[in-house]
Amino acid sequence: QLQLQESGPGLVKPSETLSLTCTVSGGSISSSSYYWGWIRQPPGKGLEWIGTIYYSGSTYYNPSLRSRVTISVDRWKNQFSLKLTSVTAADTAVYYCARVAVAGVWYFDSWGQGTLVTVSS
Amino acid sequence: QLVLTQSPSASASLGASVKLTCTLSSGHSSYAIAWHQQQPEKGPQYLMKLNSDGSHSKGDGIPDRFSGSSSGAERYLTISSLQSEDEADYYCQTWGTGIWVFGGGTKLTVL
Repeated sequence: QLQLQESGPGLVKPSETLSLTCTVSGGSISSSSYYWGWIRQPPGKGLEWIGTIYYSGSTYYNPSLRSRVTISVDRWKNQFSLKLTSVTAADTAVYYCARVAVAGVWYFDSWGQGTLVTVSS
Repeated sequence: QLVLTQSPSASASLGASVKLTCTLSSGHSSYAIAWHQQQPEKGPQYLMKLNSDGSHSKGDGIPDRFSGSSSGAERYLTISSLQSEDEADYYCQTWGTGIWVFGGGTKLTVL
């Protein structure tokens, strides 16, 4: 059974870089049938897509975050990672990693449990 | 611009049925969507993929009480025989040429 697990610091200072890793188990990140994505949810608010990556390294980013976001993949470790630079309090959120199934509509078909990242000095 | 619109809230009684709506923006009425459920204090869970013709495929273990249908630009999630654990936020989601979009979510209260 596929499992995704987010990991990284729970507290980041303003202006610094948020770094998270998603470890995939029970499946290969190198599968040609899937992409891999990051989504966040500020406290009490809805879901916001951050970006998506294919095992080859090709990426898609939310235009509103593109200037600050980098997503990368490590096929050997079966992991993909998120970096968000110059964070502010507005970046405080639960961050989820998810698998993207490609079948007509590209949809998130498996989610991690999420990790809360707080931006504060 | 690809936008998904959902009513912020809905309510229905225990044992009853409820139909949640997700509306695609103009020009995107043929798009398929996915429905996700987020129970309180939990991460989202994929429910189903729903096509414009109403055909749908559910995720593993999703009860038969959950079904989907479509009409024009509207995509529906129907939950029958409501149970207390169905009280949750429900999000629709779609994809369009390199962007992924979520609706604002509907908070379902089971009375």
